[in-house]
Amino acid sequence: ETGVTQTPRHLVMGMTNKKSLKCEQHLGHNAMYWYKQSAKKPLELMFVYNFKEQTENNSVPSRFSPECPNSSHLFLHLHTLQPEDSALYLCASSGGGLYNEQFFGPGTRLTVL
Amino acid sequence: LAKTTQPISMDSYEGQEVNITCSHNNIATNDYITWYQQFPSQGPRFIIQGYKTKVTNEVASLFIPADRKSSTLSLPRVSLSDTAVYYCLVGEGPSGSARQLTFGSGTQLTVLP
Repeated sequence: ETGVTQTPRHLVMGMTNKKSLKCEQHLGHNAMYWYKQSAKKPLELMFVYNFKEQTENNSVPSRFSPECPNSSHLFLHLHTLQPEDSALYLCASSGGGLYNEQFFGPGTRLTVL
Repeated sequence: LAKTTQPISMDSYEGQEVNITCSHNNIATNDYITWYQQFPSQGPRFIIQGYKTKVTNEVASLFIPADRKSSTLSLPRVSLSDTAVYYCLVGEGPSGSARQLTFGSGTQLTVLP
């Protein structure tokens, strides 16, 4: 158990739907991240939050909207997605490990029809 | 962020020692070298981190030559369960701040019976 949980684990949505991914960490970390991993591709960093403030947005389309209400919770709101947005979405946190390493959640497998 | 180069794939047999080398020619003075392991449909997991010479933990060893332009992850006596993608990352060390990690393509290690 990494201490980072993500819900739902699997999500199928249409292009006109609105859904949200949730990430929660109970590790006392101050930083949280969203990554996207498409099939057979490297992880792509999407957003970084440090002490609830967004510090990085790597040119992510506006149909992805992050929200970080506190240091323990991170959301990714999805609307009008495209089929090419189908991927594994991973949440991570850091700030407490000896090496400041990132702890990843199990991911949400998203399929956009 | 320093760019890293790793072999795309490697095969090994159970019980053998596996060495995965990573090149990072433009590593900065303050950069640390970190390795992560990722199983299919899971988030990456931290393995080991080092700055110079040799680091060893219960899972692996990390060898870093004096010029720090490369590093080698050594996995002793691999088993089938070590089949995974291994990522080499170079960046700031345990400073406690939110970190941007750039994951490359990694090395797909396949352990054969």
